[in-house]
Amino acid sequence: DVVMTQSPLSLPVTLGQPASISCRSSQSLVYSDGNTYLNWFHQRPGQSPRRLIYRLSNRDPGVPDRFSGSGSGTDFTLKISRVEAEDVGVYYCMQGTHWPPTFGQGTKVEI
Amino acid sequence: EVQLVESGGGLVQPGGSLTLSCAASGFAFSVFEMNWVRQAPGKGLEWVSFVGGTIYYADSVKGRFTISRDNAKNSLFLQMSSLRVEDTAVYYCVAGGLKFFDYWGQGTLVTVSS
Repeated sequence: DVVMTQSPLSLPVTLGQPASISCRSSQSLVYSDGNTYLNWFHQRPGQSPRRLIYRLSNRDPGVPDRFSGSGSGTDFTLKISRVEAEDVGVYYCMQGTHWPPTFGQGTKVEI
Repeated sequence: EVQLVESGGGLVQPGGSLTLSCAASGFAFSVFEMNWVRQAPGKGLEWVSFVGGTIYYADSVKGRFTISRDNAKNSLFLQMSSLRVEDTAVYYCVAGGLKFFDYWGQGTLVTVSS
């Protein structure tokens, strides 16, 4: 199975400041069709996960443009340009390129 | 609005069985691939099973869990048997292919304990 490794696992942030989460995969996530099936999810305390970014860099409808996804091959990043209070929670990266789909351990973002 | 509502969780003894259900609305359920994903207490996310043109299971549940769907009732199911303590988790119904996991339900808690 492809191992997804996130860092840091805990991220203290300051409101209005940028934040960044790294995700590395044990294999390249470039699929045979040329796409990179790397998604990012956000789970607020007591809630279910919600997808923020799909296929590396595409924001889901309703996701603020302060969130952006980037990277290539085995190294990926989720960036928040200016952290807001509602951004607290745990962020997970997930790969869908290789079977089975696998998730990172999660990064807990706290104000 | 997409809604996925899981039910059927509860407390079960090791070796027991339980069936989870997921009621879907707000989208064309019959054409969507569906999954179950679980999250042990305080832990991360683990994909469990997929149903689309074919069916897949995680190795950890293969031979013990059975996924099925009823498109006429917009419903997804997970039959779980030979349950183990390590199956304790919140089980989420997730709409979308294995590459995407588009929409998530609120989850239902399964506790396996004597």
